[in-house]
Amino acid sequence: DAKTTQPTSMDCAEGRAANLPCNHSTISGNEYVYWYRQIHSQGPQYIIHGLKNNETNEMASLIITEDRKSSTLILPHATLRDTAVYYCIVRVATGTGTASKLTFGTGTRLQVTL
Amino acid sequence: ETGVTQSPTHLIKTRGQQVTLRCSSQSGHNTVSWYQQALGQGPQFIFQYYREEENGRGNFPPRFSGLQFPNYSSELNVNALELDDSALYLCASSLSPARNTEAFFGQGTRLTVV
Repeated sequence: DAKTTQPTSMDCAEGRAANLPCNHSTISGNEYVYWYRQIHSQGPQYIIHGLKNNETNEMASLIITEDRKSSTLILPHATLRDTAVYYCIVRVATGTGTASKLTFGTGTRLQVTL
Repeated sequence: ETGVTQSPTHLIKTRGQQVTLRCSSQSGHNTVSWYQQALGQGPQFIFQYYREEENGRGNFPPRFSGLQFPNYSSELNVNALELDDSALYLCASSLSPARNTEAFFGQGTRLTVV
C-alpha cells in the first residue's frame, strides 16, 4: 500500500548534485513526506522529512511542490558513500489511535560514480 | 550511528520453531516499531508499541507478537516459523508515535528459516 512512485534507478557523478524525484499524488493534508536511505542490508538511515515547506539539514534538502503531490530530495554534492537505495515515504496513520507507520516502496537505487 | 541496537545480528531457525528478537530503543524514545524486509523489497510494517501497549498493526498474522518493557526496549516473537519468514527484521524507535517524529532504525536481525 505504498503511496509513492519513484524511478527505479539513477546515476550521478561524484561532486554533482543528486536530485531524486518522488510522486505522492494521493497524499493527505496531514501526512508527512519522509526520506530514508539504505546501504546494502543495513538499517534504513533517516535523511529528512517535511509537511509542506521546504526543509534543509546537514545531509540534504527537501523540496515539496505547492500542491504537495510531489517532492525532490537533493544531495548537494554527492560522494561515492551516497550510493544507496533511497526511499520516499508518506507516513500514514495505521487507523488505531496515535499510531503511524512508514510505508516503504521499492525506492530509487542511486549509483554515484567517479 | 543511531542508539538503536538489535540482537542477535543473525540466526538460523528450523521451520516450525519459535524465535525471539530483541531491540533496545534510543534513550528517551518511548515508541518502537518493527518491520520485516524480504530480499529485494522495502521494509513492511509489522506493529508498533507505545508505552508498553500495541499501538498499531500491519497485515501480519497473530503468530507475530511483541512486547515492550518499562524501559521501552522491545521483543518480537514469531511462532511456527515458515520459510517465508526468512528476512531482515528491523526495529525503529522514536520519541513518540506522532507522524512528524523521525524514527531511527537499528541494524536489523537477519533471520533464516530452513
